[in-house]
Amino acid sequence: EVQLVESGGDLVQPGGSLRLSCAASGFTFSDHYMDWVRQAPGKGLEWVGRSRNKANSYTTEYAASVKGRFTISRDVSKNSLYLQMNSLISEDTAMYFCVRADSPGSGYPPSFAYWGQGTLVTVSS
Amino acid sequence: DIQMTQSPSSLSASIGDRVTITCRASQDISNYLAWFQQKPGKAPKSLIYAASSLQSGVPSKFSGSGSGTDFTLTITSLQPEDFATYYCQHYKNYPLTFGGGTKVEIK
Repeated sequence: EVQLVESGGDLVQPGGSLRLSCAASGFTFSDHYMDWVRQAPGKGLEWVGRSRNKANSYTTEYAASVKGRFTISRDVSKNSLYLQMNSLISEDTAMYFCVRADSPGSGYPPSFAYWGQGTLVTVSS
Repeated sequence: DIQMTQSPSSLSASIGDRVTITCRASQDISNYLAWFQQKPGKAPKSLIYAASSLQSGVPSKFSGSGSGTDFTLTITSLQPEDFATYYCQHYKNYPLTFGGGTKVEIK
């Protein structure tokens, strides 16, 4: 069974830093693209960024709103995905979801398949 | 960036109704379109990928169609557990973007 369990959410002051973790189990972690998606309170979904799979050298992509402030990484030995968030602003307040993306076949872009339950980040003084 | 526009933003329906939600992309996204269901206080659930393919375990009461810029999600025989907010999302290129959501409420 695929499981994604996020942790690390907290109350942090503007300008501060936080690292979120996503513990993955039930599948071969290195084979899959992994994403972070966030949802501000009462708002819609916003894609944050992506870590491609091992075959694609774990390269990353980011939304413009977080590029240069957030960094996605993996520790394959721990089957864990991370989101390092620096220079946090109030607009980063949201529930952060870890998502596994699956591709139906070679050359076809992956789509979101499995979601974690989320971890809440609040940026406030 | 590709903009995704959903309509309506909300709708009221009765148990047993058939419901259709529309999603329009600001440019051609082929069939790189997914649909998600989210209930209050819960994580989203993946329903459909490639515009019309059901994710594993998703009941056939959900169906998707469309290609290019115009897409629909149809839910047949609406049941209490189907009342939720539904989102579309494209994955043709970066950034991946979502529609604003459609809240399906009980009439």
